[in-house]
Amino acid sequence: DQQVKQNSPSLSVQEGRISILNCDYTNSMFDYFLWYKKYPAEGPTFLISISSIKDKNEDGRFTVFLNKSAKHLSLHIVPSQPGDSAVYFCAARGGGSQGNLIFGKGTKLSVKP
Amino acid sequence: EAQVTQNPRYLITVTGKKLTVTCSQNMNHEYMSWYRQDPGLGLRQIYYSMNVEVTDKGDVPEGYKVSRKEKRNFPLILESPSPNQTSLYFCASSFGTGYEQYFGPGTRLTVT
Repeated sequence: DQQVKQNSPSLSVQEGRISILNCDYTNSMFDYFLWYKKYPAEGPTFLISISSIKDKNEDGRFTVFLNKSAKHLSLHIVPSQPGDSAVYFCAARGGGSQGNLIFGKGTKLSVKP
Repeated sequence: EAQVTQNPRYLITVTGKKLTVTCSQNMNHEYMSWYRQDPGLGLRQIYYSMNVEVTDKGDVPEGYKVSRKEKRNFPLILESPSPNQTSLYFCASSFGTGYEQYFGPGTRLTVT
């Protein structure tokens, strides 16, 4: 059963507009969430994270929002740039004792000039 | 430069021929992990290691082995590869479990 879900396989936005990538999770024991960005032929790179005790974390153009009651987090990119075109993975720190990261399937973002 | 390296980057092999994919990190990280990425399935964890000589299964460990004899190295071993192990493999490391992981560039494996 998928514990971290990214229901949109792809998203296309115009340069300069806002990109919103969504992620849902099922395990209320998750206490830390991360977003990774992946370009083709490269490994994923860490983008931004948020602790479950917060509802928002901002880093430049990137903001992550966490709604614990809805078990939902989102990544906002404003303004979107063509260089943001990549696959974005949502991840959550597992609820087990080992605390491994559990990844979603990813959303491919395309930012058109 | 802090990095995770993997070798080889590309490998084509035949069913049953043992192979090893190496992974090395220079950040003195205790935690290391192997993932495979398949279309429509995202990143799935194969094995992980919390420290030297401490390894454990992830979500999809069947057909794989690992070892952690040194802190910096975490090789992935396929004793008898099969076509369903054709995938893109990533090694990752971090200071501890559940924190920001640094990923290697990936190894694309094809088993015919």
